[in-house]
Amino acid sequence: EVVLTQSPGTLSLSPGERATLSCRASQSVSASYFAWHQQKPGRTPRLLIYATSARAPGIPARFSGSGSGTDFTLTITNLEPDDIAIYYCQQYSASPYTFGQGTKLEIK
Amino acid sequence: QVQLVQSGTEVKKPGASVQVSCKASGYDFLGFGLNWLRQAPGQGLEWMGWISPKRGDTRTAGKFQDRVTMTADGYTTTAYMELNSLRSDDTAVYYCSRDFSDVLVGLPGFWAQGTLVAVTS
Repeated sequence: EVVLTQSPGTLSLSPGERATLSCRASQSVSASYFAWHQQKPGRTPRLLIYATSARAPGIPARFSGSGSGTDFTLTITNLEPDDIAIYYCQQYSASPYTFGQGTKLEIK
Repeated sequence: QVQLVQSGTEVKKPGASVQVSCKASGYDFLGFGLNWLRQAPGQGLEWMGWISPKRGDTRTAGKFQDRVTMTADGYTTTAYMELNSLRSDDTAVYYCSRDFSDVLVGLPGFWAQGTLVAVTS
């Protein structure tokens, strides 16, 4: 089973700043099968990024993904108050299709 | 548009079973896989399993292998997840989620509203 470890656990930033969220896999994951999901408070999750860097429909360009092998990054530029959420990384390369434990993004 | 609607809240006693349904509409039900996930109170997302409604084959996370059964009915476009031998730590919101695309297995792209299953004596 691929274990995904996200850091930091909580990120507190101001509007307009850049957020960098990390996800490390316990073994190499193909970049074609790596995703990020966003879950706003009290809401169902939403797919943000798939195949490491492809944005899902309707996701603004402020959200971008990068990485390869065991290290992947979600970058959110020009933070807005509406970005408050927990962000989860996920691999869908090999079953079980595991998630990271989440990074909570707070806006000051 | 893709729509997934789950059955309502369940309250069960330890040792019982629960079945959660997921009614799909707005797309070719047989053309896309369905994932089942859960989220315990205040916790993260946990992927439980996946089913191909067309072929009926499934993939299941090891910890649920002997307790979960996933099925899909193409006539009613409804998927079902049954979890047996419930324990208190099975208390969670259970989600079904359609694969984002027909070629990306295990990538949840469209989510239902979730079903709270509470296990309590």
